[in-house]
Amino acid sequence: EVQLLESGGGLVQPGGSLRLSCAASGFTFSSYVMSWVRQAPGKGLEWVSTLSASGAGTYYADSVKGRFTISRDNSKNTLYLQMNSPRVEDTAVYYCAKGKVKTTVITPFDYWGQGTLVTVSS
Amino acid sequence: QSALTQPASVSGSPGQSITISCTGTSSDVGGYNYVSWYQHHPGKAPKLMIYEVSNRPSGVSNRFSGSKSGNTASLTISGLQAEDEADYYCSSYTSSSIHVFGTGTKVTVL
Repeated sequence: EVQLLESGGGLVQPGGSLRLSCAASGFTFSSYVMSWVRQAPGKGLEWVSTLSASGAGTYYADSVKGRFTISRDNSKNTLYLQMNSPRVEDTAVYYCAKGKVKTTVITPFDYWGQGTLVTVSS
Repeated sequence: QSALTQPASVSGSPGQSITISCTGTSSDVGGYNYVSWYQHHPGKAPKLMIYEVSNRPSGVSNRFSGSKSGNTASLTISGLQAEDEADYYCSSYTSSSIHVFGTGTKVTVL
């Protein structure tokens, strides 16, 4: 059974930093594209970032480019999102999502975690 | 990249069919057959319902179907059931940023 478990959320001050983790199990983690998607309070889903299976290809939404960094440790089956200089508008539930297709970043998300809440506030 | 446009809400009675639209541009919905639909019950993990416009993942009811015409994709739920009450989001590949989601549609079963 595929499981994705996010952690690391919490309260962070604007301009601070926070690292989210997503522990994966139930599939060959190193073979799949992984992504982060967020949902601000009362708002819809917003794609944040995608990382290729090897870790060589990274893609970001304009809203986080230059501030957030996606990475993975295939030996630990874990996906990360380093959030630097977060803004109030980054407050959201952050979901980790697995790509359905192995061979391309143009893939839907077939499994999602339950999410971790990040609150950016002073 | 602007979000794809969906109606804020759609409702129907049990057993009826409803359709949710998702309107984009030729740079996303209209240009590629990479439209997906997700069901999201608040507080739970979103669920993939349709991918590549009209394909259903294993385990998804055949009451859910997808289509596309020009820059607009559609999700149809037939034989509406109480458990279908949820938020629904479309998503598309976009030439500018890989993924873009729709604004979301709240489905209410009357």
